[in-house]
Amino acid sequence: KAGVTQTPRYLIKTRGQQVTLSCSPISGHRSVSWYQQTPGQGLQFLFEYFSETQRNKGNFPGRFSGRQFSNSRSEMNVSTLELGDSALYLCASSPRDRILPDTQYFGPGTRLTVL
Amino acid sequence: QKEVEQDPGPLSVPEGAIVSLNCTYSNSAFQYFMWYRQYSRKGPELLMYTYSSGNKEDGRFTAQVDKSSKYISLFIRDSQPSDSATYLCAMSALQGAQKLVFGQGTRLTINP
Repeated sequence: KAGVTQTPRYLIKTRGQQVTLSCSPISGHRSVSWYQQTPGQGLQFLFEYFSETQRNKGNFPGRFSGRQFSNSRSEMNVSTLELGDSALYLCASSPRDRILPDTQYFGPGTRLTVL
Repeated sequence: QKEVEQDPGPLSVPEGAIVSLNCTYSNSAFQYFMWYRQYSRKGPELLMYTYSSGNKEDGRFTAQVDKSSKYISLFIRDSQPSDSATYLCAMSALQGAQKLVFGQGTRLTINP
């Protein structure tokens, strides 16, 4: 079974631009979560979608948004990029309606660099 | 002060050594404790998952939780070069993964 895929794997943008990242969950998984990983802050939860609805949101500004499609694929968008948005963005999928650590699988991430 | 503190390392040890990785935390409500392994250019994968205090063993890996000291550890016995990765601790008060608080990760290198 194919794992979680994320595209693109690497991205370079400049301040003020906006970016869209894509995540395809494992087949049959309906829950998708997004995380930001930086050396200073570590891994932080952004938001989670289940059946096209955002169910949980972390403590990030409104510039960070996401959506989920009927096929469970998800996108996240960051508008008006700042230098501090440079990070590895990870997507994780889960087959259950509750995202539990032992049934959650991470993708390889998208490395975003903001210049 | 961060809720979860983890020494970022890097930590470098010879093959076969016993490795000890540690995290401290400040929130006494935490009761679910995890260790993740993250290889370069990969996402984290769950290694150990424990509830409350005590020890859990899985092959060469042992996780320990000391809630009285707010301290968790991961021991790797007979370390192998393939264990070279970044190890992240994570914990939460509730069972849901969206509530996890992660440590910064410790970069570990096992030298042949």
